[in-house]
Amino acid sequence: KAGVTQTPRYLIKTRGQQVTLSCSPISGHRSVSWYQQTPGQGLQFLFEYFSETQRNKGNFPGRFSGRQFSNSRSEMNVSTLELGDSALYLCASSLVGQGALTNEKLFFGSGTQLSVL
Amino acid sequence: KNEVEQSPQNLTAQEGEFITINCSYSVGISALHWLQQHPGGGIVSLFMLSSGKKKHGRLIATINIQEKHSSLHITASHPRDSAVYICAGGGYSGAGSYQLTFGKGTKLSVIP
Repeated sequence: KAGVTQTPRYLIKTRGQQVTLSCSPISGHRSVSWYQQTPGQGLQFLFEYFSETQRNKGNFPGRFSGRQFSNSRSEMNVSTLELGDSALYLCASSLVGQGALTNEKLFFGSGTQLSVL
Repeated sequence: KNEVEQSPQNLTAQEGEFITINCSYSVGISALHWLQQHPGGGIVSLFMLSSGKKKHGRLIATINIQEKHSSLHITASHPRDSAVYICAGGGYSGAGSYQLTFGKGTKLSVIP
């Protein structure tokens, strides 16, 4: 069974540009959540999608957005990039997701390392 | 605002030692995840707990709901256990959104 796949693995952008990251969940998983990891702030929750709808949202500005397709694949977009957006972006998938308060584990992708110059 | 505090930040152990990592969390958190992150970034979910105790191989995770405290134990530690261990609490934020709040992580080094 294939794991969670994130593309690309590395990305270099300049300030003001926008970027789109992709996440393909484990087959059958309907919940995809996104996280930002930086040395200073650690891991922070961005948002979670379930059945093509954003179900939960963390405390990030509107420049961070996402969507989920009917096959559960998800994309995350960051517009007007800032230097502080340089981070490892991770996605995770699970069957029905955090909101169900089940005893589900999360399955993480390897992440996309974004550098903003 | 949900909060999670982990201790210690760094831990060095000799191979074979028994290791404990602690996590305290705030009132709004109802589920606790233990995660393992190796250099290179990959994260593996070890346990998800809402009550009691879980065991997998040499790893044991416990949670005390009344005291809002969880521990991760590693028995007979091995150099391959060297990684960053992160606890994360699941709960609803003030805005009504369910999310994970992460601890800062414990960097474990096991020396042969």
